[in-house]
Amino acid sequence: NAGVMQNPRHLVRRRGQEARLRCSPMKGHSHVYWYRQLPEEGLKFMVYLQKENIIDESGMPKERFSAEFPKEGPSILRIQQVVRGDSAAYFCASSPSPGGHTEAFFGQGTRLTVV
Amino acid sequence: AQSVAQPEDQVNVAEGNPLTVKCTYSVSGNPYLFWYVQYPNRGLQFLLKYITGDNLVKGSYGFEAEFNKSQTSFHLKKPSALVSDSALYFCAVRLLSGAGSYQLTFGKGTKLSVIP
Repeated sequence: NAGVMQNPRHLVRRRGQEARLRCSPMKGHSHVYWYRQLPEEGLKFMVYLQKENIIDESGMPKERFSAEFPKEGPSILRIQQVVRGDSAAYFCASSPSPGGHTEAFFGQGTRLTVV
Repeated sequence: AQSVAQPEDQVNVAEGNPLTVKCTYSVSGNPYLFWYVQYPNRGLQFLLKYITGDNLVKGSYGFEAEFNKSQTSFHLKKPSALVSDSALYFCAVRLLSGAGSYQLTFGKGTKLSVIP
């Protein structure tokens, strides 16, 4: 059973470009979470999705950021018109049931560098 | 709103000695508590969690953690440290219900270095 798969592992974008980060959850998991890790910081929650639904996006910036988890295919975190402050590691996690005491399983992350 | 504090940025311990990584939390309600470990350029790996019941929780790789409700703490411990335990450790909290019950709130992390 493959773990949470994220790609690409490293992504370099120039200011103003778009960044697309992909996450395939573990088999049988229909709950996906995105977190951002800034240097020297812990992970910060961004968004929680179920298939075709955004459940909680309270941690996501209102502008330039969007997320989806379509019926088929991976979850996508999209950052439009990237700025240097978007440089961070973005982690995806999945779980078989929503929140609660269920531990989340994390991918290896996508490290975004904006130049 | 919930928060997690890991008061030590770094902990150094000699191989074979016991280790403790500290964590305190603040929530308005009953929490679920977690410990994760992160190796360089890797994702987070789950170590253990507290749900309810026995305050001493045992997890992976010989780690354990003690839940103390009165002190709102959840310190990670291991009786005998290994060099391979050197990594970044994160404490996290999640509410049982209500707003925020889906998201994990993490501390800033503690870098553990085990010295041979």
